[in-house]
Amino acid sequence: KAGVTQTPRYLIKTRGQQVTLSCSPISGHRSVSWYQQTPGQGLQFLFEYFSETQRNKGNFPGRFSGRQFSNSRSEMNVSTLELGDSALYLCASSHGRDEQFFGPGTRLTVL
Amino acid sequence: GESVGLHLPTLSVQEGDNSIINCAYSNSASDYFIWYKQESGKGPQFIIDIRSNMDKRQGQRVTVLLNKTVKHLSLQIAATQPGDSAVYFCAERDSGGGADGLTFGKGTHLIIQP
Repeated sequence: KAGVTQTPRYLIKTRGQQVTLSCSPISGHRSVSWYQQTPGQGLQFLFEYFSETQRNKGNFPGRFSGRQFSNSRSEMNVSTLELGDSALYLCASSHGRDEQFFGPGTRLTVL
Repeated sequence: GESVGLHLPTLSVQEGDNSIINCAYSNSASDYFIWYKQESGKGPQFIIDIRSNMDKRQGQRVTVLLNKTVKHLSLQIAATQPGDSAVYFCAERDSGGGADGLTFGKGTHLIIQP
């Protein structure tokens, strides 16, 4: 069974731009969660989607948004990028509400 | 706010020895705990999990211990191998409320000495 895939793997943007990241969960998994990982803050929960609905949201500004499609694939969008948004963005999928399987992440650099 | 933390940012052990990585959590309502391993350039990889109604769970070469009285979680790795070199994160979930996403600790970098 294929794992969680994320595209692109690396991305360079400039301040003020917006970016869209994509995540394909493990086949059969309906829950997709997004996390931001930085050296200073570690791994922080962004939001979780289940059956195309945002089920939970972490403590991030409204510039961070996401959505999930009927095939469970998910995208997250960051608008008006700031230097501090540079991070590894991780997507995780799960069948239930517990064990989450992570993808390799998208490394976003904001210049 | 509530958080999960690890006692040591770095742990160095000899190959073949047992490793113990510790984690303290502060949310007494947490009912599910996970250990993840993250190698350089990769996403976190699930190692083992434990629910709050248990105090010990064993996997292949790994054991997780949960002490709810002092809110402490540990991961024991038996006969540490070079492939165990990675950053280890504990994570918890409070299924009763909050964001319901996983809350991660800062991570312990496990270094294996030959």
